[in-house]
Amino acid sequence: NAGVTQTPKFQVLKTGQSMTLQCAQDMNHEYMSWYRQDPGMGLRLIHYSVGAGITDQGEVPNGYNVSRSTTEDFPLRLLSAAPSQTSVYFCASSLQGIYGYTFGSGTRLTVV
Amino acid sequence: SQQGEEDPQALSIQEGENATMNCSYKTSINNLQWYRQNSGRGLVHLILIRSNEREKHSGRLRVTLDTSKKSSSLLITASRAADTASYFCATVNAGNNRKLIWGLGTSLAVNP
Repeated sequence: NAGVTQTPKFQVLKTGQSMTLQCAQDMNHEYMSWYRQDPGMGLRLIHYSVGAGITDQGEVPNGYNVSRSTTEDFPLRLLSAAPSQTSVYFCASSLQGIYGYTFGSGTRLTVV
Repeated sequence: SQQGEEDPQALSIQEGENATMNCSYKTSINNLQWYRQNSGRGLVHLILIRSNEREKHSGRLRVTLDTSKKSSSLLITASRAADTASYFCATVNAGNNRKLIWGLGTSLAVNP
């Protein structure tokens, strides 16, 4: 049972480049979320999904897109990377969203 | 937006001592959860306490919830160096919105 798998673990982008952060879970969880974590800011919700085909914005969605074509996968796309998107990104999943979440190990992204 | 506020922001204790950290929140909740984050890693769910519960135990962890004061405390007994980590509280609001609302965390250092 792998839990939540995030790839890549580290990434350096140039300003303006695009990329996709991958997230996959094998627990048949309905709820999946993307967070960014910055020093002194805690965890901030970017986008979330309550099931395949259903996504919604969190508190900091600008510059990011998501889709949820399957229960297992929830990729996060950076459309045109900016230095302000330098952060650590976490994907998390939960069976019903009301109980505990399982987190991936994170992607450390640097935009130069 | 951040709802939970952990107190203290940082705590340094000796191995074997007890560590207590507190979390305050602002709205009516369905449950409150505590997570641990080791340096450079993802968050790990520790314990969940429902709004109708007052105390819960899990191994060396004891969580209390006072809904009248909108506060919770996490006690780690007989601390070990391996308990060194950041600890976050997160709340799920009462109602249909199941998004987690996070505090900024308490950084715990347990010195050998």
